[in-house]
Amino acid sequence: EAGVVQSPRYKIIEKKQPVAFWCNPISGHNTLYWYRQNLGQGPELLIRYENEEAVDDSQLPKDRFSAERLKGVDSTLKIQPAELGDSAVYLCASSPGGTANSPLHFGNGTRLTVT
Amino acid sequence: GENVEQHPSTLSVQEGDSAVIKCTYSDSASNYFPWYKQELGKGPQLIIDIRSNVGEKKDQRIAVTLNKTAKHFSLHITETQPEDSAVYFCARRNYGGSQGNLIFGKGTKLSVKP
Repeated sequence: EAGVVQSPRYKIIEKKQPVAFWCNPISGHNTLYWYRQNLGQGPELLIRYENEEAVDDSQLPKDRFSAERLKGVDSTLKIQPAELGDSAVYLCASSPGGTANSPLHFGNGTRLTVT
Repeated sequence: GENVEQHPSTLSVQEGDSAVIKCTYSDSASNYFPWYKQELGKGPQLIIDIRSNVGEKKDQRIAVTLNKTAKHFSLHITETQPEDSAVYFCARRNYGGSQGNLIFGKGTKLSVKP
């Protein structure tokens, strides 16, 4: 099966500019996650979707970050305006859902550099 | 609380030796403990997981042990090979509350010297 697909792979922008990341989960996976991974750290959850509903966005900085998952498939994560501290790898993951212990499958991430 | 403590942060072994990475947690509600391997420029890949009703699980050269009483779990890699070199992350997930959310350790960079 095809894995989780993310684009772009790399993005370099100046601070205060907007940026968007796109994720296509594994077909049939109802649960979608966005994680942020700072250099030398483990991934940290930003938002989790069950189908098209955001069921946990408590860690999403809502003043500048937004996300959507139209039709419960693809998802977009947006930052506007970007700050220097937003430089990180943004990872998308999906899982079949249905049970609390469904394995997560990660994409290769988008590396964001804010200058 | 929320965190997972992972040790060591770096580990260097000779090819053929064993490698052990340990993680501890404090939330007794945790019931699922996966391990991920992350190679440079790639996303984390699940290599093995264990649920709270099991004390040990093995898959070829990789094994995971769980001590729920002491709240720690460990990854064991035997007969290490250069291709095992990567960053390894432990994680835990609560059952209830933020159900479905993984909390990761800070990672262990494993280097296997040929």
